[in-house]
Amino acid sequence: DAKTTQPTSMDCAEGRAANLPCNHSTISGNEYVYWYRQIHSQGPQYIIHGLKNNETNEMASLIITEDRKSSTLILPHATLRDTAVYYCIVRVVEYGNKLVFGAGTILRVKS
Amino acid sequence: NAGVMQNPRHLVRRRGQEARLRCSPMKGHSHVYWYRQLPEEGLKFMVYLQKENIIDESGMPKERFSAEFPKEGPSILRIQQVVRGDSAAYFCASSPTGPSQFFGPGTRLTVL
Repeated sequence: DAKTTQPTSMDCAEGRAANLPCNHSTISGNEYVYWYRQIHSQGPQYIIHGLKNNETNEMASLIITEDRKSSTLILPHATLRDTAVYYCIVRVVEYGNKLVFGAGTILRVKS
Repeated sequence: NAGVMQNPRHLVRRRGQEARLRCSPMKGHSHVYWYRQLPEEGLKFMVYLQKENIIDESGMPKERFSAEFPKEGPSILRIQQVVRGDSAAYFCASSPTGPSQFFGPGTRLTVL
């Protein structure tokens, strides 16, 4: 699986959009971009994933650049409950493919 | 549809005892993964199982650790003769036929 680079930490004001970047310059054509988050001491929570098109669901939007070397997770209206560690993971989608977690980005949403 | 269930949520063992961690996957999920998170560290893959089969145990320590996912009942992660370094949060995830994994709340093991 390709390596990802994320900022160590970010702050965001409550109610504003949180934009979390991820670099994955060595991504292969068959690798997807996945985002998970881990709220303090809880199990990781799946957020969203995509291959090359932008994706949106009830939690977030995922913007992938045309060359697929980077992506941005957008939380449109961050709340205090969105404070968590956010993990960007690049992986081939197949059965049994384990998730390889990096250090992630600590997002602090402040009132 | 209940999520992934893990029990116990907290487990305290003395050095040398055995720890048994249970994971009940989501209904309809036949793939189970175990991950470990040591204090102040990231999540690390341990083992991937399907019903009655260990598919990938590349992340499992070579000694004292074992896992099973029987035809009936939950998946079990077993740690024999626990040591203080085994103190960690152990997370189980399950998936259906697709690749997305859904995590349980974890079991926090403390070894005294």
